[in-house]
Amino acid sequence: EVQLVESGGGLVQPGGSLRLSCAASGFTFSTYWMHWVRQAPGQGLVWVSHINSDGSSTNYADSVKGRFTISRDNAKNTLYLQMNSLRVEDTAVYFCARGRLYFDYWGQGTLVTVSS
Amino acid sequence: EIVLTQSPGTLSLSPGERATLSCRASQNISSSYLAWYQQKPGQAPRLLMYGASSRATGIPDRFSGSGSGTDFTLTVSRLEPEDFAVYYCQQYGRSSWTFGQGTKVEIK
Repeated sequence: EVQLVESGGGLVQPGGSLRLSCAASGFTFSTYWMHWVRQAPGQGLVWVSHINSDGSSTNYADSVKGRFTISRDNAKNTLYLQMNSLRVEDTAVYFCARGRLYFDYWGQGTLVTVSS
Repeated sequence: EIVLTQSPGTLSLSPGERATLSCRASQNISSSYLAWYQQKPGQAPRLLMYGASSRATGIPDRFSGSGSGTDFTLTVSRLEPEDFAVYYCQQYGRSSWTFGQGTKVEIK
């Protein structure tokens, strides 16, 4: 069974940093593209970042470019999102998701709250 | 960046009725790159359709997708109580993935 489990969310002050993790199991993690997608409270889904299967290629939404870094450790079957210079508008549930053109499996999400 | 616009914002229907949801792209996209998701409160999204018209694993055949170019449609032939949720379309293009703003299907 495919499982994606996010962790690392929490309350952080504006300008602070946080690292999210997504532990994958039930599939060959090293062969799949992975993504982070976020959802602000009461709002829609927004794609944040992508990484290819071996970590050699990444992409970011303009809203997080230069502040967030996606990475992966295929030996540990884990996806990461390093979030720096956090803003109030980064407050959201962050989901990790698997896929290339679309997202066929999602984690349950981890809540990041940016507030003073 | 391709913008996806979903309509209507909210659809009020009764169980057993047919639901027709629209997703319009700001420019032509390949139907291979269009997907639909269902999301219920407090849950992660679930993939319904990919390639515009292919049902994901385990999705009942009352769900169908169609369209090409800039206009895509998700149809639920007869709404079941568990189908009341928010639905999102999503596209891939030029190393960027975008979602529509969602259509809420609520019980009338």
